[in-house]
Amino acid sequence: NAGVTQTPKFRVLKTGQSMTLLCAQDMNHEYMYWYRQDPGMGLRLIHYSVGEGTTAKGEVPDGYNVSRLKKQNFLLGLESAAPSQTSVYFCASRRLGGRDYGYTFGSGTRLTVV
Amino acid sequence: AQSVTQLGSHVSVSEGALVLLRCNYSSSVPPYLFWYVQYPNQGLQLLLKYTTGATLVKGINGFEAEFKKSETSFHLTKPSAHMSDAAEYFCAVSVSVSGTYKYIFGTGTRLKVLA
Repeated sequence: NAGVTQTPKFRVLKTGQSMTLLCAQDMNHEYMYWYRQDPGMGLRLIHYSVGEGTTAKGEVPDGYNVSRLKKQNFLLGLESAAPSQTSVYFCASRRLGGRDYGYTFGSGTRLTVV
Repeated sequence: AQSVTQLGSHVSVSEGALVLLRCNYSSSVPPYLFWYVQYPNQGLQLLLKYTTGATLVKGINGFEAEFKKSETSFHLTKPSAHMSDAAEYFCAVSVSVSGTYKYIFGTGTRLKVLA
């Protein structure tokens, strides 16, 4: 089925380790987003991309980097993981156009940093 | 600045009872509003949205929401709750920032349905 696929689904990291979360979409969407979800805080935007080769910071970008080398993929990197980055990470995409278009979300990556 | 407030982080209803989840927004421009549902261990799914036109919008699974400009509200309702409605619900407003569109999400309301 068409949609947004996130890998991995679960991961445990030690403090200081690095990792990359992969988001892939097969809907030819221009926009892609990375959010983190924490209890009582809803979803907060980390970084986003409005097209291949472009990225921009969201509201909580510190400690994360992103890349969008291919239109269908949006990578989220943690260079040196910290316990504060324990969270559930969601990727989303939407097509080019007006602000009435909804997002398609992936099923999430649950990351624990110990 | 645009914002979304969801009143009540947890709501419990009996099966068959009315579901009412509250969302108030703040926006300096006509808002585009959305409700999403998140079932356990899943991503968010679009329930319904309001853009322009009819203020009462119907979504999937029997949910509907009414846009009330005078009250700056977009509350989500369902006449009769089912056990399968147990999930977390997010209200969001779409905003334009630097030529692109992003959501601002509320903090979510977890709905529990009691047998």
